[in-house]
Amino acid sequence: DAMVIQNPRYQVTQFGKPVTLSCSQTLNHNVMYWYQQKSSQAPKLLFHYYDKDFNNEADTPDNFQSRRPNTSFCFLDIRSPGLGDAAMYLCATSSGQGGTLGANSPLHFGNGTRLTVT
Amino acid sequence: EDQVTQSPEALRLQEGESSSLNCSYTVSGLRGLFWYRQDPGKGPEFLFTLYSAGEEKEKERLKATLTKKESFLHITAPKPEDSATYLCAVRSWDSGAGSYQLTFGKGTKLSVIP
Repeated sequence: DAMVIQNPRYQVTQFGKPVTLSCSQTLNHNVMYWYQQKSSQAPKLLFHYYDKDFNNEADTPDNFQSRRPNTSFCFLDIRSPGLGDAAMYLCATSSGQGGTLGANSPLHFGNGTRLTVT
Repeated sequence: EDQVTQSPEALRLQEGESSSLNCSYTVSGLRGLFWYRQDPGKGPEFLFTLYSAGEEKEKERLKATLTKKESFLHITAPKPEDSATYLCAVRSWDSGAGSYQLTFGKGTKLSVIP
């Protein structure tokens, strides 16, 4: 089945120690997103790629970076994690028809990476 | 600024007890409303897209409806396996940014008791 796969499912890192989360997709979607979701909160968009074009949300901290080396893979780098960065990080894709967050395309999510900062 | 409010925050139902979840929104230029199901420790799973007032979609025990101000997710004769958080998201056109925006609600946590 075509899907969005995130690794690892659980990640523990120390305060200030860089960490990288990965996402791969077999849907061949051209748009990939990273969301942060804290307990009982709505998912918060950090940034997205439309093909190779990177789009950062205005309120995403500089501490968060992303890379998309090819259509299938996308990475989230947290350069210096703080305690407040502990959350579930969700990767999603869409086909992008009609532009980013495309007119008729729902988002397809991976199962997330639960990040703990000690 | 677009706003999406879901109510109630949590709902406990007995198995077989039908009910509805609400998603109210204030957006400029609705371009679709989405319902997702999220199980604990997992990513949201897409359920429905609704585009215009009066539209309805059904899937098994779930039925989603849309008006100009809100959407309802009706659950008929729920089973314990329907227990999950149900998220609503609204897509709108941001003419200032020249792009679509997607705004999520915080979700309704549904528990169905056997």
